[in-house]
Amino acid sequence: SAVISQKPSRDICQRGTSLTIQCQVDSQVTMMFWYRQQPGQSLTLIATANQGSEATYESGFVIDKFPISRPNLTFSTLTVSNMSPEDSSIYLCSAEVQGNGNTIYFGEGSWLTVV
Amino acid sequence: QKEVEQDPGPLSVPEGAIVSLNCTYSNSAFQYFMWYRQYSRKGPELLMYTYSSGNKEDGRFTAQVDKSSKYISLFIRDSQPSDSATYLCAVAYNFNKFYFGSGTKLNVKP
Repeated sequence: SAVISQKPSRDICQRGTSLTIQCQVDSQVTMMFWYRQQPGQSLTLIATANQGSEATYESGFVIDKFPISRPNLTFSTLTVSNMSPEDSSIYLCSAEVQGNGNTIYFGEGSWLTVV
Repeated sequence: QKEVEQDPGPLSVPEGAIVSLNCTYSNSAFQYFMWYRQYSRKGPELLMYTYSSGNKEDGRFTAQVDKSSKYISLFIRDSQPSDSATYLCAVAYNFNKFYFGSGTKLNVKP
């Protein structure tokens, strides 16, 4: 398994501001991902954070709104830019962990409320 | 058509009951199948994962995959109030992208 730490765990943000979420994994991982989970909804993949290159974004998500960094194999950040109330959501970092069968583990999430 | 469909519930059972949670998926090319448990305002916690048809057991939990029917199940034996949570199924072709069900909310009553 893996321990994935995210911060902040929650925040209340003003409309129009930006917030950066940090994700730290306790071991080196190849694949890291950022998901969004809006209230009462399932998880939606925002992007794959690629180490040393630009993130790969899913349809409906763009780099200007959700810039992502991945400076090394254990760390990534997601910025939610120019926030609006529609961005109120839990943002989840996840990582593919290789072991006795690969699978995906999640951090505890960052709960953002935009007012 | 969604890649994976899951009954949202809620599902309410008495303590000690056997719980059956189910998902169907659309594409026979999916080869990775996972179940996650998510408590309120927490990140999903991996419960079970499997890559093949058949059953996989871990304590009170059994994951079942029927590739011929494109159907996956999670069974919880001797359910406890602490099992009350939302359960998410997930499928994937590879580890580049997972598709999640909408989640089934389970309430186990003492």
